[in-house]
Amino acid sequence: AAGVIQSPRHLIKEKRETATLKCYPIPRHDTVYWYQQGPGQDPQFLISFYEKMQSDKGSIPDRFSAQQFSDYHSELNMSSLELGDSALYFCASSFLGVSGVWNEQFFGPGTRLTVL
Amino acid sequence: KNQVEQSPQSLIILEGKNCTLQCNYTVSPFSNLRWYKQDTGRGPVSLTIMTFSENTKSNGRYTATLDADTKQSSLHITASQLSDSASYICVVSNSARQLTFGSGTQLTVLP
Repeated sequence: AAGVIQSPRHLIKEKRETATLKCYPIPRHDTVYWYQQGPGQDPQFLISFYEKMQSDKGSIPDRFSAQQFSDYHSELNMSSLELGDSALYFCASSFLGVSGVWNEQFFGPGTRLTVL
Repeated sequence: KNQVEQSPQSLIILEGKNCTLQCNYTVSPFSNLRWYKQDTGRGPVSLTIMTFSENTKSNGRYTATLDADTKQSSLHITASQLSDSASYICVVSNSARQLTFGSGTQLTVLP
């Protein structure tokens, strides 16, 4: 079965550079979530999109922005990178069921960002 | 404040043995509870999702229980395998679809 695809899988950047992470949800999933997981930490929710509109916002820094496109893929843009941005960035997708309840989230393999 | 607490933090068992992981939560209003398995450096993989009305749900060798009254859940793994070594994360969602993650139980299965 198709899963959530994230690219790139690994990314190395220097301080103050920018990075763009991409997420391709499972086909027919309309909701995308972004999470940041630092070393030894729980995933922290950043932001989510439903039908190309921002639906929830978590602890996303102002230096980060994200959007969901017409084909439902999403991109997380990170500017002025800091050492502390080094983490695993997960994307998850789900869909709104007929009962009006979002079904479970399926996670992608993550993008490991290293900021030097 | 929404919180999810898991115990034990880490667990070491021998291959073939059973084990039970615990999750206590104070998330409200409760929507659903999920158990994920996360291998090191990889994305969490869903094992089960349980809603308010469900008491138990099985997925192969994994059986999850939910007591909505006491706000407790457990994940029972039977006949453990070496590939079960991973972090098991309990995630609780409220009605606003906000997820609260537990810190996970690190399970190590030894041969």
